[in-house]
Amino acid sequence: KAGVTQTPRYLIKTRGQQVTLSCSPISGHRSVSWYQQTPGQGLQFLFEYFSETQRNKGNFPGRFSGRQFSNSRSEMNVSTLELGDSALYLCASSPRTSGISSYNEQFFGPGTRLTVL
Amino acid sequence: AQSVSQHNHHVILSEAASLELGCNYSYGGTVNLFWYVQYPGQHLQLLLKYFSGDPLVKGIKGFEAEFIKSKFSFNLRKPSVQWSDTAEYFCAVKRWGATNKLIFGTGTLLAVQP
Repeated sequence: KAGVTQTPRYLIKTRGQQVTLSCSPISGHRSVSWYQQTPGQGLQFLFEYFSETQRNKGNFPGRFSGRQFSNSRSEMNVSTLELGDSALYLCASSPRTSGISSYNEQFFGPGTRLTVL
Repeated sequence: AQSVSQHNHHVILSEAASLELGCNYSYGGTVNLFWYVQYPGQHLQLLLKYFSGDPLVKGIKGFEAEFIKSKFSFNLRKPSVQWSDTAEYFCAVKRWGATNKLIFGTGTLLAVQP
């Protein structure tokens, strides 16, 4: 089975621009979560989607948004980029959401490295 | 608010030494616990997980962890490390029955010298 894929792998943008990152979960997985990884803040939860619905959102400004499509693929968007948005953005997929069962583990993709200049 | 503490930020060991990485969390309810590893240039991989039952869990590559509920701890151990264990290790907590949201510790960078 193919793993979680994320595109693009690397991205360079300038301040004020917007960016869209894509995540394709493992086949059959319906839950997708996004995390931001930086040297200073570590791994922080952004949001989680299941069946095209956002189930939970982390403590990030409204410039960070996401969505999930009917095929479970997910995108996240960051508008009006700031220098501090430079980070590795990780996507994780799991078969289900824990609202159904807590016996659930997540599988991470390789990430998209975003650099904001 | 939930938080996870990893007390060792950098650990340097020689091959064959024993390893113990500390992890403590703050949450009074039932939790699921995880250790993830990130090898240089690779993505996060699950080392082991605790959902319920035996508090001593075994994972891949000879790693194990013990859940001590009274101490809110989930320490990672390996009796004898290898150079290939050089990586960053993250402890993570998820609330039982809630979403898939993981709260991560700040990570421990392990360097194993040959």
